[in-house]
Amino acid sequence: DQQVKQNSPSLSVQEGRISILNCDYTNSMFDYFLWYKKYPAEGPTFLISISSIKDKNEDGRFTVFLNKSAKHLSLHIVPSQPGDSAVYFCAASVRANYGQNFVFGPGTRLSVLP
Amino acid sequence: DGGITQSPKYLFRKEGQNVTLSCEQNLNHDAMYWYRQDPGQGLRLIYYSQIVNDFQKGDIAEGYSVSREKKESFPLTVTSAQKNPTAFYLCASVRVAEAFFGQGTRLTVV
Repeated sequence: DQQVKQNSPSLSVQEGRISILNCDYTNSMFDYFLWYKKYPAEGPTFLISISSIKDKNEDGRFTVFLNKSAKHLSLHIVPSQPGDSAVYFCAASVRANYGQNFVFGPGTRLSVLP
Repeated sequence: DGGITQSPKYLFRKEGQNVTLSCEQNLNHDAMYWYRQDPGQGLRLIYYSQIVNDFQKGDIAEGYSVSREKKESFPLTVTSAQKNPTAFYLCASVRVAEAFFGQGTRLTVV
């Protein structure tokens, strides 16, 4: 049973347009959400995060939106650039009995076409 | 530079051998984690450690072992008991609620 879902395995977007990556979760105890970007054969790079007490966080071209009632978050990239082409992982975390528990989605492969 | 260093980047293992993957961090983070990534799947937690000399099993700990003798180091041993060890292994250190990853080690059984 996946606690964090990214239902779109892939997404293609034209350069300069908006990329919207979606993520759904099932555990209402998650209190922190993160987006990572990953190139092949490299480790994930932290992009942006949002606490469950907020509904929006913005950092340059990247904005994350959180809808707690729908248990849904999304990452917006505007404008999209060819260098944004990568796999994007959504992650949710919660403070557990023994440290922080992270749950990752399966990832969405974004292709930004020139 | 501060960061997390995993070595080697590529590792080949013969069936029946144990191999150890290195993970070192100089971020002064207390918590360190090991994940495994398989194609089309998210990261799955193998082991994690919140403090020196203590560690806990994650979701897929069978066939793996770890040690945490120093704050900076969290090596992962893939034992011969791990039936399907070919994968991409990622080490992370954690500050509060954010995980920071190394570059990964790709292990292939030959």
